[in-house]
Amino acid sequence: GDSVTQMEGPVTLSEEAFLTINCTYTATGYPSLFWYVQYPGEGLQLLLKATKADDKGSNKGFEATYRKETTSFHLEKGSVQVSDSAVYFCALRETSGSRLTFGEGTQLTVNP
Amino acid sequence: EAGVAQSPRYKIIEKRQSVAFWCNPISGHATLYWYQQILGQGPKLLIQFQNNGVVDDSQLPKDRFSAERLKGVDSTLKIQPAKLEDSAVYLCASSPLTHSGRKAGELFFGEGSRLTVL
Repeated sequence: GDSVTQMEGPVTLSEEAFLTINCTYTATGYPSLFWYVQYPGEGLQLLLKATKADDKGSNKGFEATYRKETTSFHLEKGSVQVSDSAVYFCALRETSGSRLTFGEGTQLTVNP
Repeated sequence: EAGVAQSPRYKIIEKRQSVAFWCNPISGHATLYWYQQILGQGPKLLIQFQNNGVVDDSQLPKDRFSAERLKGVDSTLKIQPAKLEDSAVYLCASSPLTHSGRKAGELFFGEGSRLTVL
């Protein structure tokens, strides 16, 4: 079945550092890919998405490119802020349905 | 626009007791989901409704979990009897249908209901 694998956390960075959170997936067909973010005490929010190969999703300074050849969708940000501290989830949606399959999440802590 | 509302936010029960969670989706959203998020894991889909019909309940432990969405609006998830391993956050999400009406669009999540089973 479909699955998503994220890099193990937690990740701790200093403010203005470069962020990469790795995500790889296994799926049949051509899934859509997503990054969701969960800030402390809040619900999951969609951060960005890409629906086909080579698409780049971007939002709030975060970017991720859908790489079909490496089945990856790594999340990057050039300069993190304390307010980016949260749990980040990579997810995929199968081609034919609407179910989201999530990775296990990566806790990011950004220190001032 | 009001978001997805869930209650209660927190619940502590003894094993073998029962519990119910309520979800009110965003107005007009046809599709409603219940996810289970165990500590340290990603959310796992329990059940998906489109209007008041079940689309996917393949991962719902039907011997103890049940869910309904009467009138195609709000929904209730029940666990009876609860086990220790049911301790988790139960997330409700809703989504509109796409313009074609064939697929669900972006998911919007509520803040979740945290269950602790002792």
